[in-house]
Amino acid sequence: GDSVTQMEGPVTLSEEAFLTINCTYTATGYPSLFWYVQYPGEGLQLLLKATKADDKGSNKGFEATYRKETTSFHLEKGSVQVSDSAVYFCALISFNKFYFGSGTKLNVKP
Amino acid sequence: DTAVSQTPKYLVTQMGNDKSIKCEQNLGHDTMYWYKQDSKKFLKIMFSYNNKELIINETVPNRFSPKSPDKAHLNLHINSLELGDSAVYFCASSEGYGTYSYEQYFGPGTRLTVT
Repeated sequence: GDSVTQMEGPVTLSEEAFLTINCTYTATGYPSLFWYVQYPGEGLQLLLKATKADDKGSNKGFEATYRKETTSFHLEKGSVQVSDSAVYFCALISFNKFYFGSGTKLNVKP
Repeated sequence: DTAVSQTPKYLVTQMGNDKSIKCEQNLGHDTMYWYKQDSKKFLKIMFSYNNKELIINETVPNRFSPKSPDKAHLNLHINSLELGDSAVYFCASSEGYGTYSYEQYFGPGTRLTVT
């Protein structure tokens, strides 16, 4: 069945470090891919999305490229801030259903 | 002007009780969802309604019964609560459903603790 696999956390970085959170997926058909962010005590918010192969989603300095050949959608940011500390979820939508990864907690230290 | 709201935010109750969680969205969306997030942050869809019709019903105990009185509301009623029901429950909505990239808007969550 369809699924999303994310790297396990927590990921701890110093401010201004480079961030990569790996995400790979398994899907029948042609899914759309998403990254959601959950700040402490809040619901999930859409961070970025890509709807077809080679699309790049970007928002707030975060980027992810839809790679069909490697079935990946890795999240990157060149310079993280303390305010980026949150849990990040990779997700796909396929045949009306959303599938979420298990979430990766990011801690950014000043 | 909250987009997706849930009540209550916290719910502490004893095993065997019956409780409800309410969800409302003011975005004019056609589709609403209930998700369960466990202590490890794993998020799993439970139900989805489109225009008050049930379209997704995952393998969820029949103690859980969703009800959608209108497009803007999707409530979750839970009978005979068990310890394993303790989790954070998120409501979400989207403009539509299907293979299109409809963004889902999430509520703030309801933390249910069963003692």
